[in-house]
Amino acid sequence: EVQLLESGGGLVQPGGSLRISCAASGFTFSSNAMNWVRQAPGKGLEWVSSISGNSGGTYYADSVQGRFTISRDKSKNTLYLQMNSLRVEDTAVYYCARNWGTFDIWGQGTMVTVSS
Amino acid sequence: AIQLTQSPSSLSASVGDRVTITCRASQGISSALAWYQQKPGKAPKLLIYDVSTLESGVPSRFSGSGSGTDFTLTITSLQPEDFATYYCQQFNSYLFSFGQGTKLEIK
Repeated sequence: EVQLLESGGGLVQPGGSLRISCAASGFTFSSNAMNWVRQAPGKGLEWVSSISGNSGGTYYADSVQGRFTISRDKSKNTLYLQMNSLRVEDTAVYYCARNWGTFDIWGQGTMVTVSS
Repeated sequence: AIQLTQSPSSLSASVGDRVTITCRASQGISSALAWYQQKPGKAPKLLIYDVSTLESGVPSRFSGSGSGTDFTLTITSLQPEDFATYYCQQFNSYLFSFGQGTKLEIK
């Protein structure tokens, strides 16, 4: 079964850091582009970052550029999002999703709360 | 960045109705448009990609159309499980973006 499972969310203070993970199974992780999409409480979807399949090129929304870093460990079939200099407005459910452009498989999400 | 504007933001309809949601892009995006359905507390689900191609397993009452900057999602004969929030998304450039969402509620 194709599956994505996020973990690592939690409560962090403004200015702090957090790394969230997404474990993939049931498909060839190394050749697929992967993405992070977030949803603030009661709000819509916001694309955050993408990493291409083979070249490993990375892309970021303006709102997180310079603060967040997307990466992947192909040996562990795991996608990461390192989040630094966190702000209150980064509070959201973070979803990982598969594929370039059209997100066909989604995880269940992990909640990140930035608050003092 | 390409902006997507959906209308309406919310919509009330009855089981059996036909509804249409529109999505307008701030610039041309060719056919790089997808539609997602999201139910409360759940992850989004891909319904349609490349404007009009139905994802596997999605009922045929869902359809998409459009080109350039104007796109539509149509649901014919609404079913109880269709009441949800719908989002359009563009992938014409690598700075992907979503519309603000359309909440479809039971009348």
